[in-house]
Amino acid sequence: GAGVSQSPSNKVTEKGKDVELRCDPISGHTALYWYRQSLGQGLEFLIYFQGNSAPDKSGLPSDRFSAERTGGSVSTLTIQRTQQEDSAVYLCASSSTGAGANVLTFGAGSRLTVL
Amino acid sequence: AQSVAQPEDQVNVAEGNPLTVKCTYSVSGNPYLFWYVQYPNRGLQFLLKYITGDNLVKGSYGFEAEFNKSQTSFHLKKPSALVSDSALYFCAVRDSGNTPLVFGKGTRLSVIA
Repeated sequence: GAGVSQSPSNKVTEKGKDVELRCDPISGHTALYWYRQSLGQGLEFLIYFQGNSAPDKSGLPSDRFSAERTGGSVSTLTIQRTQQEDSAVYLCASSSTGAGANVLTFGAGSRLTVL
Repeated sequence: AQSVAQPEDQVNVAEGNPLTVKCTYSVSGNPYLFWYVQYPNRGLQFLLKYITGDNLVKGSYGFEAEFNKSQTSFHLKKPSALVSDSALYFCAVRDSGNTPLVFGKGTRLSVIA
């Protein structure tokens, strides 16, 4: 597609429920990233996929968070048993390769509110 | 592991005055440095990057940034601020390997008419 597409744009859920957030990267981009943006916390790296390599999961805050990328394209971020502190904007970005000088293109984000 | 510090949460500047948004970094080896901007209710946009070569890099909307290796800094600058420059600015760094891009906490720039 022309840009990085994320859905849903807004999600309100109750504490303890599971949520899935979807990212559709730019066609042909091999690298895909998930970040979390909370008020006062800036952009927090969560997970990074690069081609067929094992993902870098070093930023996932707990084992309630997981992500997969199917067929090297669409990615889903899953948060199990959501907590109020999970409320944030979840941003997806993609780039043509994972290394070096390549610029990330960001989606508009998915705003998650956990009540 | 690489890291970025943006020491100012908020920068206020009068329209027409020069602006500086500060960034320092820590990385093993040679850094790749970036600035991104987030306008109200809009997504993050790439502004400029430093890879190698001239220490002064120019980007979109009249912004520039100066790479200073000895001070490990990459401050964002603009000679004359506009009200429309008001936004949230993020500095980011990665090393030359296959590592994720790490962002700072952001600096909110407010340009006052």
